Amino acid sequence: EPEVTQTPSHQVTQMGQEVILRCVPISNHLYFYWYRQILGQKVEFLVSFYNNEISEKSEIFDDQFSVERPDGSNFTLKIRSTKLEDSAMYFCASSEDREEIGELFFGEGSRLTVL
Amino acid sequence: QKEVEQDPGPLSVPEGAIVSLNCTYSNSAFQYFMWYRQYSRKGPELLMYTYSSGNKEDGRFTAQVDKSSKYISLFIRDSQPSDSATYLCATLFNTDKLIFGTGTRLQVFP
Repeated sequence: EPEVTQTPSHQVTQMGQEVILRCVPISNHLYFYWYRQILGQKVEFLVSFYNNEISEKSEIFDDQFSVERPDGSNFTLKIRSTKLEDSAMYFCASSEDREEIGELFFGEGSRLTVL
Repeated sequence: QKEVEQDPGPLSVPEGAIVSLNCTYSNSAFQYFMWYRQYSRKGPELLMYTYSSGNKEDGRFTAQVDKSSKYISLFIRDSQPSDSATYLCATLFNTDKLIFGTGTRLQVFP
């Protein structure tokens, strides 16, 4: 069964360092997303991406964050200068099209720990 | 006001019990409602979605939406230990953004 894969599963970094989280969405999917979940809190929307551009982003997704689909298969989330409060589980998701309402396929997540 | 609220539990039930999981939401403009299941150390997976009010059944699972009271429910019949997970209700905003509840942790013991 096709699945969304994410790397790394866990990354520890120092505050102020740049981090890149990588995702390989399901191959025929067109819509890509990043969500995050701070420990003990809700899963929160960060950004959606379609046709090589951001279609929507949340207020969390400030200038420190960027997304890219560099090669047609990977989808990356970059945090330029990490802060302590960026520590969370980051989930990548993809969907085939908008007709499949709410049917997002999530990866297993990348846990980011900022020290 | 929080957009989607959900009791975090935990909810512990014996195998075979009927489980009722509930959420409330604040914005009457929300039309699509989903239930996701999240096992420990995994990403959420979609269980069911419903549009507007009414019921939807899939095997042992029934999703119910009451728009008049802004109440979303998920019922699990004949619960199994394998149903032990966190259940997240969610609604769709602007077709692109899922708004999740905090999740209810369910444990079904043998």
